[in-house]
Amino acid sequence: AQTVTQSQPEMSVQEAETVTLSCTYDTSESNYYLFWYKQPPSRQMILVIRQEAYKQQNATENRFSVNFQKAAKSFSLKISDSQLGDTAMYFCAFMTTGNQFYFGTGTSLTVIP
Amino acid sequence: EPEVTQTPSHQVTQMGQEVILRCVPISNHLYFYWYRQILGQKVEFLVSFYNNEISEKSEIFDDQFSVERPDGSNFTLKIRSTKLEDSAMYFCASSDRDFNTEAFFGQGTRLTVV
Repeated sequence: AQTVTQSQPEMSVQEAETVTLSCTYDTSESNYYLFWYKQPPSRQMILVIRQEAYKQQNATENRFSVNFQKAAKSFSLKISDSQLGDTAMYFCAFMTTGNQFYFGTGTSLTVIP
Repeated sequence: EPEVTQTPSHQVTQMGQEVILRCVPISNHLYFYWYRQILGQKVEFLVSFYNNEISEKSEIFDDQFSVERPDGSNFTLKIRSTKLEDSAMYFCASSDRDFNTEAFFGQGTRLTVV
């Protein structure tokens, strides 16, 4: 079974500080892709960052970076220099060859001014 | 920037009624999806659609649900005889190729069954 676990239902961070959101997953697939999606109050799902499982190098996208530990099946998201606009629900997800996304339960992040 | 568009943004329906949720995927995309998110819970896969047929569906997607691409632009989700537990946010998504790519999500339709 494919599962995604986000163990932090809620987190907060001071503006300009750094925060790390945790995600672990379980799959028997060897080839898959990992994603972090952001869902602001507008409810739209927005891609934050993507990681190919076969790549050892961690993906980065401006202030967002991941720590991908394939053996541990861990995929955490680090947000540097947090901004008020980062306040949102963050979902970790992965996709296997079935082209189906599996989502975690989400982490609600609040950036405090 | 191209985007996935969903209508309506909010739909209220009586229990037992049929609803149709509409989506306009990004124009050159070939793979289409419906997901649902019950309030406070995770996003759940319902169905994927490619080449005018369902390619995969979850156990949630039972005979009550159907999808259709009635013309070259729209992708619809029909829910027959709605139940209270169908109340959720429904997201449409599309992608331009199979696997290894992000899906672009619409803003969602909030369905409330009363």
